[in-house]
Amino acid sequence: AQKVTQAQTEISVVEKEDVTLDCVYETRDTTYYLFWYKQPPSGELVFLIRRNSFDEQNEISGRYSWNFQKSTSSFNFTITASQVVDSAVYFCALSEAQGRVTTLGRLYFGRGTQLTVWP
Amino acid sequence: DAMVIQNPRYQVTQFGKPVTLSCSQTLNHNVMYWYQQKSSQAPKLLFHYYDKDFNNEADTPDNFQSRRPNTSFCFLDIRSPGLGDAAMYLCATSEGFRYEQYFGPGTRLTVT
Repeated sequence: AQKVTQAQTEISVVEKEDVTLDCVYETRDTTYYLFWYKQPPSGELVFLIRRNSFDEQNEISGRYSWNFQKSTSSFNFTITASQVVDSAVYFCALSEAQGRVTTLGRLYFGRGTQLTVWP
Repeated sequence: DAMVIQNPRYQVTQFGKPVTLSCSQTLNHNVMYWYQQKSSQAPKLLFHYYDKDFNNEADTPDNFQSRRPNTSFCFLDIRSPGLGDAAMYLCATSEGFRYEQYFGPGTRLTVT
């Protein structure tokens, strides 16, 4: 069974601090996809990144960076020099790359981490 | 801009009164999804369409139905809303099952 754990329920930082959001996953599949989504107070889920299980390269996009380590089944997300606009709930999710049509495409979400950035 | 649109953004309905939520997309994606999200919880998948092929999650109540008349539109029908159905309903689309999902802004449903 697929499972995603985000152990940090809430994190508070002051603007300009760096912050890392943890994500640990469980799957028996050899191929899968990992995602991060941002949900600001407006409610819309915003796609941030998709990572194929075969691609362990870390990725950087502006102030955002992602560290994927298959050895520890982790896909952590770091925001550098945080800003008030980064305040949101962040969800880590996993989906199958192969399987039945009934489960393909299903996103297995973690419970989310509420990030609050104070000015 | 290509996007996922949901109407209305806020919907109030009475207990037991049928309600329909709508979703449209300009992305021309094959797959459309409906999620239910309650406060402080992760989104929960209700069902999805791959083109016209419909897949219902095993634990989605019979009270929830969906229609996809064409590629662009998908509807969520709640036949007899209960107080427990009050939630944010999110529509999402993806190019295929192996691609990221793009979400609409959601419809917040209140049941009185």
